[in-house]
Amino acid sequence: GAVVSQHPSRVICKSGTSVKIECRSLDFQATTMFWYRQFPKKSLMLMATSNEGSKATYEQGVEKDKFLINHASLTLSTLTVTSAHPEDSSFYICSARDTSGRSHNEQFFGPGTRLTVL
Amino acid sequence: SQQGEEDPQALSIQEGENATMNCSYKTSINNLQWYRQNSGRGLVHLILIRSNEREKHSGRLRVTLDTSKKSSSLLITASRAADTASYFCATDYSGGYNKLIFGAGTRLAVHP
Repeated sequence: GAVVSQHPSRVICKSGTSVKIECRSLDFQATTMFWYRQFPKKSLMLMATSNEGSKATYEQGVEKDKFLINHASLTLSTLTVTSAHPEDSSFYICSARDTSGRSHNEQFFGPGTRLTVL
Repeated sequence: SQQGEEDPQALSIQEGENATMNCSYKTSINNLQWYRQNSGRGLVHLILIRSNEREKHSGRLRVTLDTSKKSSSLLITASRAADTASYFCATDYSGGYNKLIFGAGTRLAVHP
């Protein structure tokens, strides 16, 4: 199957700093990528849909000024957690949809980024 | 809430037994998918069942889908200790962008 990478895999930062997480589709082009957040022992919650060349669509309750999404190319989407606070500590997972036709629009998930805000 | 529900929330069985997990959802869907996640790790795609399918098999996995009841079940037969993980259903929402909405998940523990 197609491969999606995330960088970094782990990040620890101080409260008030901003953190950027990258999501890359390595062997396919992804016009649409998705960002999820997962708290310990909980399920994945969709945060936003990232569309190449246009503004992201945020789910209800997700602050767009807090979680900045940039999908500047067909293989890269970034999520920036601005002015991070301890409650932003979570596991952030991205997925990318392969629209090439070879995988029926299947979504492929990255390995996740664990953010810890001190 | 955007999430569907899964039951049970936790399941503990012995190796060799079968494990059944259920998922209910709220919206019209294109397909429903099941994923596995080991603790603190990424997701592993297990199986996809389309809205016009009723049952699908893959190895020791059997998935059913009842769109009239908006529910699905995942059966793992002859479980192994390595099957210990969290299992999530995810519905491909037909309302646009093919968003995946995840259920709450079932934590399965298979004891040797």
